[in-house]
Amino acid sequence: KAGVTQTPRYLIKTRGQQVTLSCSPISGHRSVSWYQQTPGQGLQFLFEYFSETQRNKGNFPGRFSGRQFSNSRSEMNVSTLELGDSALYLCASSLGQDVSEAFFGQGTRLTVV
Amino acid sequence: GNSVTQMEGPVTLSEEAFLTINCTYTATGYPSLFWYVQYPGEGLQLLLKATKADDKGSNKGFEATYRKETTSFHLEKGSVQVSDSAVYFCALNKGNAGNMLTFGGGTRLMVKP
Repeated sequence: KAGVTQTPRYLIKTRGQQVTLSCSPISGHRSVSWYQQTPGQGLQFLFEYFSETQRNKGNFPGRFSGRQFSNSRSEMNVSTLELGDSALYLCASSLGQDVSEAFFGQGTRLTVV
Repeated sequence: GNSVTQMEGPVTLSEEAFLTINCTYTATGYPSLFWYVQYPGEGLQLLLKATKADDKGSNKGFEATYRKETTSFHLEKGSVQVSDSAVYFCALNKGNAGNMLTFGGGTRLMVKP
C-alpha cells in the first residue's frame, strides 16, 4: 500500500510569509504527527492529530498550527516565517492506538530566506 | 520531562566490525522504546522497538534490549555493512494517550569497506 506522502518536497519562502505543508497518511491510519528536524535542535515534536482533533502539542509558538480532515489528511501552517523556521518537516502516520508504529514520510524541506 | 540521550557521532567502523550505539532515557513510568534509521534524503524508518522491560527488539541483524534498571536501550549489530551507513535515532513514547515521540540527537554511522 502507498506510504506517507508529503507535499511539496521543497519550498523556499521569504521571511514574514506563511506556508502550508500537506501530509497524506497511509490508508486506514487515523493519527498524524508532525516533527521539525534541524541540525541544531534535532527532531522535535510539533503536534499530533487523531480523528480531526489535536491530541498532543509540542512546545512551539502559536505561529505553528495544524489541522486534520475527515479523510485523515493533515496540513500544517506556519505564519510569519522566520529564518529559524528553516528545517525538514516530517509527518508520521499511525493507526491511532497508543504507541502504534509510526511511519514517516520523506519530509518537506523548507528554506526561509 | 522525558528525554533521550545517545552517543554523539560520527561513529566510523570498518565493514564487519561490531557496532554499539548507546542510548539512555529519562521518563516516568514505562515508556516504549524505539530505534529509527534515516538514510540520506529520506524520512525515518522504524528499525526495532521494545514495549516493556527486558524485551529485546531485533531486525536486520540489529538488536536492542530494554533495560529498566539502567534506563538504557543500546543498539548493537554483530557485523556492519557499508549499506548500514545512516543516522540512527533512539526514541521513546510515553504512551499516555497518543503518539508523541521524544528523540535523541541522532548518531551518524559511517561504515568503510
